[in-house]
Amino acid sequence: EPEVTQTPSHQVTQMGQEVILRCVPISNHLYFYWYRQILGQKVEFLVSFYNNEISEKSEIFDDQFSVERPDGSNFTLKIRSTKLEDSAMYFCASGSGANVLTFGAGSRLTVL
Amino acid sequence: QKEVEQDPGPLSVPEGAIVSLNCTYSNSAFQYFMWYRQYSRKGPELLMYTYSSGNKEDGRFTAQVDKSSKYISLFIRDSQPSDSATYLCAMSRYQAGTALIFGKGTTLSVSS
Repeated sequence: EPEVTQTPSHQVTQMGQEVILRCVPISNHLYFYWYRQILGQKVEFLVSFYNNEISEKSEIFDDQFSVERPDGSNFTLKIRSTKLEDSAMYFCASGSGANVLTFGAGSRLTVL
Repeated sequence: QKEVEQDPGPLSVPEGAIVSLNCTYSNSAFQYFMWYRQYSRKGPELLMYTYSSGNKEDGRFTAQVDKSSKYISLFIRDSQPSDSATYLCAMSRYQAGTALIFGKGTTLSVSS
């Protein structure tokens, strides 16, 4: 069964450092998303991406965040200057439409 | 008032029990309703997807949506220990490329 692949599975970084989280969505999907889940909290929407541009973003997705689809297979989330409160599990998801999303296993980010 | 509310539990039932999970929401613009299952340190996995009001059945799972009451439910019949997980409700305004708003999740434990 096709799956969404995320790397790294766990990253530890110092506050103020840049982090790039990578995702390989399912190949025939057109919609791409990033969500995050702080430990013990709900899954929160960050951004959706379609046709090579952001289609929607949340208030969390401020100027410190950016997304890119650098080639036909990868989808990345960059955090320019990490803060302690960015520590969370970050989930990539992709979908072909109709909000039927397939989530990856997540990348755990720990900011020290 | 939070946009989506879900009793976090935990909920413990014996094997074979019928389980009822519920969410309420405040935004009448939501049209698409989903239930996800999440195992510890994994990404959410789609269980049920419903558009607008009504019922949908898939095996042991039944999803109900009552838009007039802004209330959705997931019923699990003949619950199994493998059903032990956190169940997340999610909803959105549009069909694709937009935010899913999640509930906090209900943790279910089914004992054999």
